[in-house]
Parts: sequence; structure tokens; C-alpha cells
Amino acid sequence: EVQLLESGGALVQPGGSLRLSCAASGFTFTNFAMNWIRQTPGKGLQWVSTFTDSGGSTIYAGPVKGRFTISRDVSKNTVYLQMNSLRDEDTAVYYCARGSYSGWFLFDHWGQGTLVTVSS
Amino acid sequence: EIVLTQSPGSLSLSPGERATLSCRASQSVSGSHLAWYQQKPGQAPRLLIYGDSARATGIPDRFSGSGSGTDFTLTITGLEPEDFAVYYCQYYVNSPITFGQGTQLETK
Repeated sequence: EVQLLESGGALVQPGGSLRLSCAASGFTFTNFAMNWIRQTPGKGLQWVSTFTDSGGSTIYAGPVKGRFTISRDVSKNTVYLQMNSLRDEDTAVYYCARGSYSGWFLFDHWGQGTLVTVSS
Repeated sequence: EIVLTQSPGSLSLSPGERATLSCRASQSVSGSHLAWYQQKPGQAPRLLIYGDSARATGIPDRFSGSGSGTDFTLTITGLEPEDFAVYYCQYYVNSPITFGQGTQLETK
């Protein structure tokens, strides 16, 4: 059974940093792209970043480029999202999701989400 | 960036009825590039439909997708109580990936 378990969400001040983790199990980790998607009441679902499967490339949405870094540790079957220079508008529930066989950005399994609140 | 606009914002129907949810793209996309997700309160979204109307694993056949160009539809025939949720469409082929704002399907 595919399982994705996020952790690391917290309350952080504007300008601060936070690292989210997503521990994966139940599938061959290196065969799939891994993604972060966030959700807010106001802006709905927003794709944040992707770590591709084969070449291990990283892709970012415009609002987070240069501030967020996605990475993975294959020895731990874990994908990370390092978030720096956090802003109020980064407040959201952050989901980890697996890219499917049909595409990196087609999210066939999701974690339960972790809440990040950026506020002073 | 492809902007997806869903309508209606909310839809009130009764169990057993047919639901028709719309997703309009700001530019023409292939039907192979559009997906639909369902989200219930307190849960993560769940993949329903992708590609040329393929259903994800475990999705019942009362869910179907159709459309082309800029207009796409998710149809749920014979609503079950567990189908009342929020539904999102998604463009998923090239970055930036985008989602529609969602349609809330409510019980009448």
C-alpha cells in the first residue's frame, strides 16, 4: 500500500525558514516523481515543486522559485521541501503527492498534509 | 499559464441525480492533459479521472470525463451519498501546473 507521511509544519515568522519532510513507503521510490502541492482557502490548490524520477531534475512554481528547494534522500525514501524567506502568503496546508506512471504532475497518491503558518 | 475556470461554484443535488461539472481552459488543451480530483472535508484530494477519460484505480464507473479544446465536463451519474464533495480540474502536462478553483457539490 502506498503511503506518504508529511511532517515539519509549524508556525514561523515572516522571513524565517522551515523544512518539510515526506516519508514514502509501499512503492519503489526512485521510479516516481514526487511533488509538493499547497492549499489555502483563498487560492485553492497550488502546485509548488516537483522532483522528477529518472533524471532527478527539480521544477518550481514561479512564486516559490529561488526561495524553496526540493530534494530527496533515496536511502530514507523521503522527499524534502526546504522553505526559506517565508512570506505570509506561503501559509497553507502542504501536501506531498506521488506523480503517476502517466505523468510527473498527475498526482495519484497524496499524504494527509502538514500545516505551515507564516505569521508574526 | 493555462487558467482553468470551473462552474458552477456550487451545485445542490439529491442522491440518485446526475451531476454535470464544467471546467473551461484559457487556451486549447488536449483532453489527455486534463484531470479531475475529488476532495472531502479534512482529506487530501483524490485522483478520479485523467487522460482521455480514464478512471483512476478504484473509481466507480458512475464517474466519467469528456470534452475537448477548452471545455471539459465531469459527469457523475446516479449520485451516491459519498459523492458530495469538492471537485477540482487540473492541467497536468507542462509546468506551470494549474488547478481550477473547485465546484462544491452539496446535498439538496
